[in-house]
Amino acid sequence: GAGVSQSPSNKVTEKGKDVELRCDPISGHTALYWYRQSLGQGLEFLIYFQGNSAPDKSGLPSDRFSAERTGGSVSTLTIQRTQQEDSAVYLCASSLGGRFTDTQYFGPGTRLTVL
Amino acid sequence: AQTVTQSQPEMSVQEAETVTLSCTYDTSESDYYLFWYKQPPSRQMILVIRQEAYKQQNATENRFSVNFQKAAKSFSLKISDSQLGDAAMYFCAYRSYGGSNYKLTFGKGTLLTVNP
Repeated sequence: GAGVSQSPSNKVTEKGKDVELRCDPISGHTALYWYRQSLGQGLEFLIYFQGNSAPDKSGLPSDRFSAERTGGSVSTLTIQRTQQEDSAVYLCASSLGGRFTDTQYFGPGTRLTVL
Repeated sequence: AQTVTQSQPEMSVQEAETVTLSCTYDTSESDYYLFWYKQPPSRQMILVIRQEAYKQQNATENRFSVNFQKAAKSFSLKISDSQLGDAAMYFCAYRSYGGSNYKLTFGKGTLLTVNP
Protein backbone atom coordinates (compact mmCIF):
# COMPACT_ATOMS: atom_id res chain seq x y z
CA GLY A 1 0.00 0.00 0.00
CA ALA A 2 0.93 3.65 -0.08
CA GLY A 3 3.41 4.98 2.40
CA VAL A 4 3.24 8.10 4.51
CA SER A 5 2.69 11.17 2.37
CA GLN A 6 3.33 14.79 3.24
CA SER A 7 2.43 18.03 1.55
CA PRO A 8 3.69 20.36 0.42
CA SER A 9 7.10 18.97 -0.38
CA ASN A 10 8.63 22.42 -0.06
CA LYS A 11 7.26 25.61 1.39
CA VAL A 12 8.78 29.06 1.29
CA THR A 13 7.14 31.70 3.43
CA GLU A 14 7.83 35.12 4.80
CA LYS A 15 8.56 35.78 8.41
CA GLY A 16 5.37 36.36 10.35
CA LYS A 17 3.09 34.31 8.09
CA ASP A 18 1.24 31.20 9.21
CA VAL A 19 1.87 27.83 7.54
CA GLU A 20 0.11 24.47 7.56
CA LEU A 21 1.89 21.21 6.91
CA ARG A 22 -0.08 18.09 6.15
CA CYS A 23 0.61 14.42 6.87
CA ASP A 24 -1.34 11.46 5.54
CA PRO A 25 -0.33 8.30 7.41
CA ILE A 26 -0.37 4.73 6.22
CA SER A 27 -3.92 3.42 6.18
CA GLY A 28 -4.75 1.63 9.42
CA HIS A 29 -1.96 3.19 11.44
CA THR A 30 -3.34 4.63 14.66
CA ALA A 31 -0.17 6.32 15.86
CA LEU A 32 1.28 9.39 14.21
CA TYR A 33 4.43 11.38 15.04
CA TRP A 34 5.90 14.70 13.99
CA TYR A 35 9.64 15.33 14.07
CA ARG A 36 11.71 18.33 13.04
CA GLN A 37 15.08 18.05 11.36
CA SER A 38 17.27 21.12 11.41
CA LEU A 39 20.97 21.73 10.88
CA GLY A 40 21.60 22.95 14.37
CA GLN A 41 19.40 20.61 16.41
CA GLY A 42 19.33 17.42 14.37
CA LEU A 43 16.15 15.35 14.57
CA GLU A 44 13.76 16.35 17.34
CA PHE A 45 10.49 14.81 18.41
CA LEU A 46 7.60 17.29 18.35
CA ILE A 47 4.31 15.52 19.08
CA TYR A 48 2.66 12.11 19.15
CA PHE A 49 -0.95 11.20 18.35
CA GLN A 50 -2.74 8.04 19.31
CA GLY A 51 -5.96 8.21 17.35
CA ASN A 52 -7.11 11.81 17.51
CA SER A 53 -5.62 12.59 20.90
CA ALA A 54 -2.13 13.87 21.56
CA PRO A 55 -0.88 12.42 24.87
CA ASP A 56 2.45 14.16 24.51
CA LYS A 57 2.93 17.65 23.12
CA SER A 58 6.08 18.29 25.10
CA GLY A 59 8.31 18.50 22.04
CA LEU A 60 6.50 21.47 20.50
CA PRO A 61 9.06 24.30 20.72
CA SER A 62 6.65 27.14 21.43
CA ASP A 63 2.97 28.02 21.59
CA ARG A 64 3.20 29.14 17.97
CA PHE A 65 3.21 25.44 17.08
CA SER A 66 0.04 23.37 17.16
CA ALA A 67 -1.13 20.13 15.61
CA GLU A 68 -4.35 18.31 15.18
CA ARG A 69 -5.51 15.02 13.80
CA THR A 70 -9.00 14.38 12.56
CA GLY A 71 -10.76 11.10 11.91
CA GLY A 72 -7.75 9.21 13.21
CA SER A 73 -6.05 9.83 9.91
CA VAL A 74 -4.72 13.06 8.43
CA SER A 75 -2.74 15.39 10.66
CA THR A 76 -1.94 19.07 10.24
CA LEU A 77 0.97 20.86 11.88
CA THR A 78 0.41 24.60 12.05
CA ILE A 79 3.08 27.18 12.73
CA GLN A 80 1.83 30.67 13.44
CA ARG A 81 3.85 33.84 12.96
CA THR A 82 6.77 31.93 11.49
CA GLN A 83 10.31 32.87 12.45
CA GLN A 84 13.55 32.19 10.61
CA GLU A 85 14.54 29.61 13.21
CA ASP A 86 11.50 27.57 12.17
CA SER A 87 13.25 26.76 8.89
CA ALA A 88 13.73 22.99 8.87
CA VAL A 89 12.48 19.76 7.39
CA TYR A 90 9.33 18.57 9.14
CA LEU A 91 8.99 14.79 9.09
CA CYS A 92 5.89 12.80 9.83
CA ALA A 93 5.85 9.12 10.76
CA SER A 94 3.14 6.60 11.51
CA SER A 95 2.98 3.19 13.12
CA LEU A 96 0.35 0.54 13.69
CA GLY A 97 0.03 1.55 17.34
CA GLY A 98 2.04 3.43 19.89
CA ARG A 99 3.75 0.42 21.35
CA PHE A 100 7.48 0.23 21.53
CA THR A 101 7.40 -2.80 19.26
CA ASP A 102 5.90 -0.87 16.37
CA THR A 103 8.13 0.35 13.59
CA GLN A 104 7.74 4.00 12.66
CA TYR A 105 7.47 4.61 8.93
CA PHE A 106 8.46 8.05 7.76
CA GLY A 107 7.21 10.33 5.03
CA PRO A 108 9.49 12.36 2.74
CA GLY A 109 9.10 15.49 4.82
CA THR A 110 8.24 19.10 4.13
CA ARG A 111 11.13 21.51 3.77
CA LEU A 112 10.10 24.83 5.28
CA THR A 113 12.09 27.95 4.48
CA VAL A 114 11.23 31.16 6.31
CA LEU A 115 12.65 34.26 4.66
CA ALA B 1 16.99 11.70 29.39
CA GLN B 2 18.54 9.46 26.81
CA THR B 3 21.19 10.75 24.43
CA VAL B 4 22.59 9.24 21.25
CA THR B 5 26.03 10.14 19.92
CA GLN B 6 27.40 9.52 16.46
CA SER B 7 31.02 10.61 16.49
CA GLN B 8 31.64 10.34 12.76
CA PRO B 9 29.99 13.20 10.85
CA GLU B 10 31.23 11.74 7.56
CA MET B 11 32.56 8.42 6.32
CA SER B 12 33.55 7.11 2.92
CA VAL B 13 33.97 3.61 1.54
CA GLN B 14 34.94 2.05 -1.75
CA GLU B 15 32.27 0.12 -3.57
CA ALA B 16 32.25 -3.57 -2.56
CA GLU B 17 34.17 -2.92 0.65
CA THR B 18 33.00 -2.92 4.26
CA VAL B 19 32.38 0.09 6.46
CA THR B 20 31.39 0.45 10.10
CA LEU B 21 29.43 3.37 11.49
CA SER B 22 29.66 4.08 15.20
CA CYS B 23 26.96 4.94 17.70
CA THR B 24 27.00 5.25 21.46
CA TYR B 25 24.12 6.08 23.74
CA ASP B 26 23.46 6.99 27.32
CA THR B 27 20.55 5.59 29.28
CA SER B 28 19.68 4.37 32.75
CA GLU B 29 17.09 1.97 31.38
CA SER B 30 17.68 -1.74 31.02
CA ASP B 31 15.16 -2.43 28.30
CA TYR B 32 15.01 -0.46 25.08
CA TYR B 33 15.24 -0.65 21.31
CA LEU B 34 17.96 0.64 19.03
CA PHE B 35 17.61 1.43 15.36
CA TRP B 36 19.59 2.46 12.33
CA TYR B 37 17.72 4.58 9.82
CA LYS B 38 18.97 5.58 6.37
CA GLN B 39 18.05 8.93 4.81
CA PRO B 40 18.94 9.29 1.12
CA PRO B 41 18.71 12.66 -0.67
CA SER B 42 14.99 12.00 -1.19
CA ARG B 43 14.68 12.71 2.58
CA GLN B 44 12.65 9.54 3.20
CA MET B 45 13.85 7.90 6.41
CA ILE B 46 14.10 4.15 5.88
CA LEU B 47 14.54 1.63 8.67
CA VAL B 48 17.70 -0.40 8.08
CA ILE B 49 17.87 -2.58 11.16
CA ARG B 50 16.67 -2.76 14.75
CA GLN B 51 17.93 -4.40 17.90
CA GLU B 52 16.10 -5.28 21.09
CA ALA B 53 18.31 -4.65 24.09
CA TYR B 54 17.24 -7.86 25.81
CA LYS B 55 18.55 -9.93 22.92
CA GLN B 56 22.21 -10.86 23.08
CA GLN B 57 22.32 -11.91 19.45
CA ASN B 58 23.28 -9.15 17.06
CA ALA B 59 20.66 -8.29 14.44
CA THR B 60 21.40 -8.91 10.78
CA GLU B 61 19.57 -7.83 7.63
CA ASN B 62 21.27 -9.03 4.46
CA ARG B 63 24.43 -6.90 4.05
CA PHE B 64 23.70 -4.92 7.21
CA SER B 65 24.63 -6.12 10.68
CA VAL B 66 25.13 -4.54 14.06
CA ASN B 67 27.60 -4.98 16.88
CA PHE B 68 25.59 -4.38 20.03
CA GLN B 69 27.63 -4.02 23.21
CA LYS B 70 25.12 -3.36 25.98
CA ALA B 71 27.60 -2.84 28.79
CA ALA B 72 29.56 -0.37 26.70
CA LYS B 73 26.35 1.22 25.39
CA SER B 74 27.62 0.88 21.87
CA PHE B 75 25.66 0.05 18.73
CA SER B 76 27.66 0.08 15.51
CA LEU B 77 26.40 -0.67 12.01
CA LYS B 78 28.46 -2.70 9.58
CA ILE B 79 27.70 -2.50 5.88
CA SER B 80 29.28 -5.29 3.85
CA ASP B 81 29.82 -5.27 0.09
CA SER B 82 28.96 -1.57 -0.07
CA GLN B 83 26.88 -0.44 -3.03
CA LEU B 84 26.42 2.97 -4.60
CA GLY B 85 22.83 2.94 -3.38
CA ASP B 86 24.04 2.79 0.20
CA ALA B 87 25.19 6.40 -0.01
CA ALA B 88 23.03 8.34 2.42
CA MET B 89 22.86 9.90 5.86
CA TYR B 90 22.62 7.24 8.54
CA PHE B 91 20.97 7.90 11.89
CA CYS B 92 21.19 5.86 15.03
CA ALA B 93 18.07 6.04 17.20
CA TYR B 94 16.91 4.95 20.65
CA ARG B 95 13.43 4.07 21.84
CA SER B 96 12.45 3.33 25.44
CA TYR B 97 10.74 0.12 26.42
CA GLY B 98 8.39 1.86 28.81
CA GLY B 99 7.32 5.37 29.77
CA SER B 100 8.02 7.59 26.76
CA ASN B 101 8.26 4.58 24.56
CA TYR B 102 6.65 6.14 21.54
CA LYS B 103 9.31 8.61 20.48
CA LEU B 104 12.65 8.08 18.86
CA THR B 105 15.76 9.89 20.05
CA PHE B 106 18.21 10.34 17.20
CA GLY B 107 21.92 10.94 16.88
CA LYS B 108 23.23 13.73 14.66
CA GLY B 109 23.87 11.36 11.76
CA THR B 110 26.78 10.09 9.68
CA LEU B 111 27.00 10.98 6.00
CA LEU B 112 28.21 7.94 4.08
CA THR B 113 29.79 8.36 0.66
CA VAL B 114 30.34 5.32 -1.55
CA ASN B 115 33.11 5.71 -4.12
CA PRO B 116 32.93 3.72 -7.37
